[in-house]
Amino acid sequence: GEDVEQSLFLSVREGDSSVINCTYTDSSSTYLYWYKQEPGAGLQLLTYIFSNMDMKQDQRLTVLLNKKDKHLSLRIADTQTGDSAIYFCAERTGAGSYQLTFGKGTKLSVIP
Amino acid sequence: DTAVSQTPKYLVTQMGNDKSIKCEQNLGHDTMYWYKQDSKKFLKIMFSYNNKELIINETVPNRFSPKSPDKAHLNLHINSLELGDSAVYFCASRALGETQYFGPGTRLLVL
Repeated sequence: GEDVEQSLFLSVREGDSSVINCTYTDSSSTYLYWYKQEPGAGLQLLTYIFSNMDMKQDQRLTVLLNKKDKHLSLRIADTQTGDSAIYFCAERTGAGSYQLTFGKGTKLSVIP
Repeated sequence: DTAVSQTPKYLVTQMGNDKSIKCEQNLGHDTMYWYKQDSKKFLKIMFSYNNKELIINETVPNRFSPKSPDKAHLNLHINSLELGDSAVYFCASRALGETQYFGPGTRLLVL
């Protein structure tokens, strides 16, 4: 079945890099996503990567994909207090309607 | 302009009541979704819907029913609310081949 796993918590100091990891099981996934949820807010799409790519960089965000190991990571450079949030990894599953299967989210706490 | 909007933002109601949550998208997307986020922040798909098919997650009780008056709206109607229905409900929409965009969520509390 489909399953997406993430560690639940990560704490980093302001200015350091954060790396959030995710593993997924559906080898047919074509797109993998990172969403950010700030306290009391909705889901904001941060970035996504197509399964034939190894890496995608967007300003402070770097996504690495190891398709062989079904491992996805999100690196946030120069982490700021405003980056404190829950980060969800998601894979696109299902033909046609393309549902998203989410991990349980990693709560990132940035220490000033 | 808000791309995907939901109303109400907060909903507090008694057990046994029937309630609806509304979702509207102004992006011209073809497919809309409802997700449920429980108290542990775990997100689960409930429904996906376009004008051709409705796909229901088999774990969703039949007290929940999506209703789409037109392409831009997908409302969620819930009958006989139970305590366990308390959660945040997110609507999302997607154009063909594109990623999903989420609404701000509706926080439902059943007393």
